[in-house]
Amino acid sequence: GDSVTQMEGPVTLSEEAFLTINCTYTATGYPSLFWYVQYPGEGLQLLLKATKADDKGSNKGFEATYRKETTSFHLEKGSVQVSDSAVYFCALSEDSNTGKLIFGQGTTLQVKP
Amino acid sequence: DAGVTQSPTHLIKTRGQQVTLRCSPKSGHDTVSWYQQALGQGPQFIFQYYEEEERQRGNFPDRFSGHQFPNYSSELNVNALLLGDSALYLCASRDESSYEQYFGPGTRLTVT
Repeated sequence: GDSVTQMEGPVTLSEEAFLTINCTYTATGYPSLFWYVQYPGEGLQLLLKATKADDKGSNKGFEATYRKETTSFHLEKGSVQVSDSAVYFCALSEDSNTGKLIFGQGTTLQVKP
Repeated sequence: DAGVTQSPTHLIKTRGQQVTLRCSPKSGHDTVSWYQQALGQGPQFIFQYYEEEERQRGNFPDRFSGHQFPNYSSELNVNALLLGDSALYLCASRDESSYEQYFGPGTRLTVT
């Protein structure tokens, strides 16, 4: 079945460092791909998405490119801030009718001043 | 415009008891999905309700059941609670024009 694998955390960076969080997926068709962020004590917020191969999703300085050839959707940011500290989830959806999401296990990012 | 709301925020139950969690979708959304997020894990899809019917179900036992009301709000019921049911339960409503899902803050259920 469909699945999402993320790099294990926690990831600890200094402020202004470059961020990469790896995400690979397994799917039978052509899924839409998402990154969600979960701040402490809050629900999930959609960070960015891409719906077809070679699409680049971007938001708040974060970017991810849908790579069908490598089945990947790595999250990047050029300069992280302390306020980016959160748990990041990669997810896919193959069912456009229901939008059912399949999530990775999450990667905790801690940014130190 | 209120987002997705859930109640209660926290709940402590004893093994074998039953629990009901509630969700109100974002205004204008008629589809509600429920997810279970165990500690340190990603959310897992429980089921989705649309037009008061269960439209799709994930790999969860029949102890997990739900309901959707005419105003699109929804309940998640869990019977015969097990220790392993301890988790954050997230509700999401879906914008049928953008297909984006909006998540509530969750209900933290602890089973002792």
